Amino acid sequence: NAGVTQTPKFQVLKTGQSMTLQCAQDMNHNSMYWYRQDPGMGLRLIYYSASEGTTDKGEVPNGYNVSRLNKREFSLRLESAAPSQTSVYFCATHRGPGYEQYFGPGTRLTVT
Amino acid sequence: GIQVEQSPPDLILQEGANSTLRCNFSDSVNNLQWFHQNPWGQLINLFYIPSGTKQNGRLSATTVATERYSLLYISSSQTTDSGVYFCAGGATSGTYKYIFGTGTRLKVLA
Repeated sequence: NAGVTQTPKFQVLKTGQSMTLQCAQDMNHNSMYWYRQDPGMGLRLIYYSASEGTTDKGEVPNGYNVSRLNKREFSLRLESAAPSQTSVYFCATHRGPGYEQYFGPGTRLTVT
Repeated sequence: GIQVEQSPPDLILQEGANSTLRCNFSDSVNNLQWFHQNPWGQLINLFYIPSGTKQNGRLSATTVATERYSLLYISSSQTTDSGVYFCAGGATSGTYKYIFGTGTRLKVLA
């Protein structure tokens, strides 16, 4: 039972490159989230998926796209990376509102 | 939208000391949760506490939703308590959009 897993753990990109961050959960949770954490700040919501087949924007969606591939997997794509997207990205899951969220270990992304 | 303020922003304690961390919300909050981010960056659930009081070992938390705040108590602190403590909540009970505070950075000295 791995909980919430994220790949890769670290990534360095050049400006303009694209990449996809992967998140998978084996907790049978309905809802999945992508957050970013910048130095000295709390987490900010990028996108979320309330249930399989749905996605919605969070607080800071610009420059990102998401795919809820199935109930287990939720990916985050950067089409054209910018230095402002240098951050630590966390995936989270929960059953739904009223239940606690569980976080993955994070992906540290640097864009040069 | 909801604003979340955590205090103090930084805290240094000697091992064995007690502390209280506070989370204030600008409006009524639902689904309040406390997290500990350890020095390796992992986010660990501490409490899901929309209201009332809960205790887990040396940690306890109290949320007074009508007064828009929550408190996290750490007793007999240990060096492993070091890290950043975050609170998060949503504007409505059915929301998926959680707002995080900027955290309290705690360092416990041996």
